[in-house]
Amino acid sequence: QKEVEQDPGPLSVPEGAIVSLNCTYSNSAFQYFMWYRQYSRKGPELLMYTYSSGNKEDGRFTAQVDKSSKYISLFIRDSQPSDSATYLCAMSAGSGYSTLTFGKGTMLLVSP
Amino acid sequence: DGGITQSPKYLFRKEGQNVTLSCEQNLNHDAMYWYRQDPGQGLRLIYYSQIVNDFQKGDIAEGYSVSREKKESFPLTVTSAQKNPTAFYLCASSLGHNPATNEKLFFGSGTQLSVL
Repeated sequence: QKEVEQDPGPLSVPEGAIVSLNCTYSNSAFQYFMWYRQYSRKGPELLMYTYSSGNKEDGRFTAQVDKSSKYISLFIRDSQPSDSATYLCAMSAGSGYSTLTFGKGTMLLVSP
Repeated sequence: DGGITQSPKYLFRKEGQNVTLSCEQNLNHDAMYWYRQDPGQGLRLIYYSQIVNDFQKGDIAEGYSVSREKKESFPLTVTSAQKNPTAFYLCASSLGHNPATNEKLFFGSGTQLSVL
């Protein structure tokens, strides 16, 4: 079983839709959870950062962490064509430098 | 503007040749990293450095070498021993100091390396 599983997509939605992106993981030691957005042939940029379980909201984006189910989600409300990108989940036990484990990314396409 | 600069954007390597990818940051970050990204593979850690003159191997260090002579710079050399070097290479940095800041990575814009 891979440490972090993420559906590669592509996920195609119309503009204005609510988008749900998800990752599952197997390592119960993970306690730092991140979502990165990566536009084509660019470096990823940190979108959301969450410690332990719970929800975090930032504008149209909401990150959820359910450690009991080993499941994290990113919700995008009122999706825009500019949200079209690959979304990478990443997580860490926080036990040292760059112990980040990345998912393979989900490609999102938002059509006007 | 503070950030991470990678150069060149595109690089071509001939067989048997070593090539060096540049990474410079002006964020005053202690930690720097090199990742390799292949289609459908996600990001894989090559090397990382917590402090000047110190670096550690990541998951796929074979065929690569790095140096960290200055805080701002962390160049990656892809040696001829790396038999499958074609990939998108990403440099990143983080503030370091504690887990809450270690893991917030700031990435450069990447270098696409291809084999001639």
